Amino acid sequence: GQQLNQSPQSMFIQEGEDVSMNCTSSSIFNTWLWYKQDPGEGPVLLIALYKAGELTSNGRLTAQFGITRKDSFLNISASIPSDVGIYFCAGPLGNYGQNFVFGPGTRLSVLP
Amino acid sequence: ETGVTQSPTHLIKTRGQQVTLRCSSQSGHNTVSWYQQALGQGPQFIFQYYREEENGRGNFPPRFSGLQFPNYSSELNVNALELDDSALYLCASSFARQGPSGRTDTQYFGPGTRLTVL
Repeated sequence: GQQLNQSPQSMFIQEGEDVSMNCTSSSIFNTWLWYKQDPGEGPVLLIALYKAGELTSNGRLTAQFGITRKDSFLNISASIPSDVGIYFCAGPLGNYGQNFVFGPGTRLSVLP
Repeated sequence: ETGVTQSPTHLIKTRGQQVTLRCSSQSGHNTVSWYQQALGQGPQFIFQYYREEENGRGNFPPRFSGLQFPNYSSELNVNALELDDSALYLCASSFARQGPSGRTDTQYFGPGTRLTVL
């Protein structure tokens, strides 16, 4: 079935540094979603992308919908301790996006 | 506007038992999807319900079943529990714009139910 790959798998950064992570697929997606999940919680939607080439920001977060429609990128600027968590990308399956497939996640740790 | 809620928060069952998990969708949403998230993995799609009918299903056996009620809340039932069913079960609600064949809007997740099967 369709799978999403995320890299890096995990990363340790210093507070204040910028972070970049990406998500790739062997199939074309018409929507990309980025979620953050804290321990014991459900994923929280960060950014939704609906158009190839689209660049969207949400505070210190910026995400881009790749031109090939097979990848997406998430950047976090000036990281802070509360950015710690697992970041998932997701894309819709089915002709009408009835469900979403998730990547394996990128685990972010921020060192003070 | 109320968000997605799930109950119970935690549950412990033994192998072979049956379990029912519940979800209340976000206000204004008409579609509910259920996901299973094993430790260290991303959520895996189980099925989706729209207007009280199943509207898509992932690669899960028939012992995983669901219901959606007229108020758009939903239940996930799992029969004959197995050890591998231990996971975080997530419910996500969304709004389907044009009926069961229409585009489903972005999904918003509840906090999940942690199921442990012993």
